[in-house]
Amino acid sequence: QVQLQESGPGLVKPSETLSLTCTVSGGSIRSYFWGWIRQPPGKGLEWIGHINYSGSTTYNPSLKTGVTMSVDTSKNQFSLKVNSVTAADTAVYYCVRRDINSGLDYWGPGILVTVSS
Amino acid sequence: DIQMTQSPSSLSASVGDRVTITCRASQNIRTYLNWYQLKPGKAPNLLIYAASSLQSGVPSRFSGSGSGTDFTLTISSLQPEDFATYYCQQGYTTPLTFGGGTKVEIK
Repeated sequence: QVQLQESGPGLVKPSETLSLTCTVSGGSIRSYFWGWIRQPPGKGLEWIGHINYSGSTTYNPSLKTGVTMSVDTSKNQFSLKVNSVTAADTAVYYCVRRDINSGLDYWGPGILVTVSS
Repeated sequence: DIQMTQSPSSLSASVGDRVTITCRASQNIRTYLNWYQLKPGKAPNLLIYAASSLQSGVPSRFSGSGSGTDFTLTISSLQPEDFATYYCQQGYTTPLTFGGGTKVEIK
């Protein structure tokens, strides 16, 4: 059974960089796309982007500025960085596996990241 | 971007009720439509993919239909564990986009 787990700081100061890592267990990262979704408090879901095992990325154009994803196949992990964060980046961040034919079929439990001084 | 419009935004229902949620895409997305269930503090769950295919392990009381721009999620007999928020999502093109969500509450 594939499992995903987000990790990283729960509090980030404004203008600093948000950094999260997703660890994949029970399956190889060398298939599928691996991505990030976020949900601000009281709001809906927003797709941030995804990456494959070779490092090819696709980002949401509305967020492209300041967003970077990377993958470490040796650790079965992928990561997200969001630069120059503001309060609007406060959200629960989920890492996901994307199957082109069957959607976002595995999700992590999510991690709340608060942007505040 | 493809806009996804879900309705209703919330509903109250009783255990055993039949519940229907609709999702409309701003352009033709063929059958690239998925449905998810979200509960607080838990990993979201894929219910239906490709508009009408039931994800492995999901109870058969969940079903999906539609193609093109209009889609439906139906819960045939609502169970206590089904009180949650449901989202549709188009996978036709990036950026992937979601509907605004439907919160199913206990009546």
